[in-house]
Amino acid sequence: DSGVTQTPKHLITATGQRVTLRCSPRSGDLSVYWYQQSLDQGLQFLIQYYNGEERAKGNILERFSAQQFPDLHSELNLSSLELGDSALYFCASSVGSGVGVNEQFFGPGTRLTVL
Amino acid sequence: AQSVAQPEDQVNVAEGNPLTVKCTYSVSGNPYLFWYVQYPNRGLQFLLKYITGDNLVKGSYGFEAEFNKSQTSFHLKKPSALVSDSALYFCAVSVPDNYGQNFVFGPGTRLSVLP
Repeated sequence: DSGVTQTPKHLITATGQRVTLRCSPRSGDLSVYWYQQSLDQGLQFLIQYYNGEERAKGNILERFSAQQFPDLHSELNLSSLELGDSALYFCASSVGSGVGVNEQFFGPGTRLTVL
Repeated sequence: AQSVAQPEDQVNVAEGNPLTVKCTYSVSGNPYLFWYVQYPNRGLQFLLKYITGDNLVKGSYGFEAEFNKSQTSFHLKKPSALVSDSALYFCAVSVPDNYGQNFVFGPGTRLSVLP
């Protein structure tokens, strides 16, 4: 158990809808990272937050947004969902901001299915 | 732009034999390199990392990796494979800046250890 929790485990929704994925980092970790894993795209880094502020941005679509709250949990919002958004979404956390390069600890993931 | 290649989609090895999972990278700047393992229906687990120093890095579960700057490689190795090592292995590279940490993962290599 990595100490990173994600809810829900599974999510089934329809095209055009909006969903929110939630992540709680390990105790003491200030950075949260979001990833999308799909069969055709592999594991794609989406975005990083450190202590409430956006720190690094990867291949995140404009329809997607994230935030990190004062208690350090994070939410990933996916809107105007398309069939191609079906994937496993992982959250990871690390101690530092990334400048010192700390390994990331991954949650179990949320499997999103868009019908 | 950073990129990571894992030239083999699948590696098969007999239990007790040595295993190698290959990784090559392309970055501008000094790379920080990581190996992660993913078991079915689980998040990624950190195995080891190279930041600086000795080119041979030892990690969890008896795995080690060798950093080769001239060949831009970071191959994962284990002297004696176990059936329980069967999983999906990801190599990742990061070139952190003063802002954040942007991870790029390779496509993954599926390791099958046959009894």
